[in-house]
Amino acid sequence: ETGVTQTPRHLVMGMTNKKSLKCEQHLGHNAMYWYKQSAKKPLELMFVYNFKEQTENNSVPSRFSPECPNSSHLFLHLHTLQPEDSALYLCASSQGGGAPRFGPGTRLTVT
Amino acid sequence: GQNIDQPTEMTATEGAIVQINCTYQTSGFNGLFWYQQHAGEAPTFLSYNVLDGLEEKGRFSSFLSRSKGYSYLLLKELQMKDSASYLCAVRFKGSNSGYALNFGKGTSLLVTP
Repeated sequence: ETGVTQTPRHLVMGMTNKKSLKCEQHLGHNAMYWYKQSAKKPLELMFVYNFKEQTENNSVPSRFSPECPNSSHLFLHLHTLQPEDSALYLCASSQGGGAPRFGPGTRLTVT
Repeated sequence: GQNIDQPTEMTATEGAIVQINCTYQTSGFNGLFWYQQHAGEAPTFLSYNVLDGLEEKGRFSSFLSRSKGYSYLLLKELQMKDSASYLCAVRFKGSNSGYALNFGKGTSLLVTP
């Protein structure tokens, strides 16, 4: 149990579908992150929320839309994705400068 | 990116010692982290260095030289379960991303009998 949960764990979607990834942290942290992990590439930071305010949008295409309704929940809304968006999407949380704690990830396949 | 470099793959024998190196761009450095990631699982935190020197945690140690932009993770008494990917990550000051980390590509370690 990492204290950070993600649902669903696996998702297959067509290019015209709309879906959402959910992340919840039970650690009382004040910052949450979305990272993308593709084969042979480093973990890529997508979005950062500090105290529910988005502080970074790392040049992510608009087909990815984050939402952070409170400091414990983070969503990633997906629409009109491309096959190259297939990857492992990892949520993480941290308290200030502490080490981010990762969730188990959602394995996304776009067909 | 912040040019975080680490070897792609390493192989070592059970019971041995292995050192995984990481180099990074020194400008704006604000802390270095090591994570372990088993296949199909989340990265898990191993160690943190922000000052020069060695941090020891059981079988795992991590070293940092800020002036050289260099760190290593040392794994002693290797066990088969240590086969995993080891991720070097650096926090840089002054970015809008606050406390977010920048990751290297990871080093895939295979421990053989």
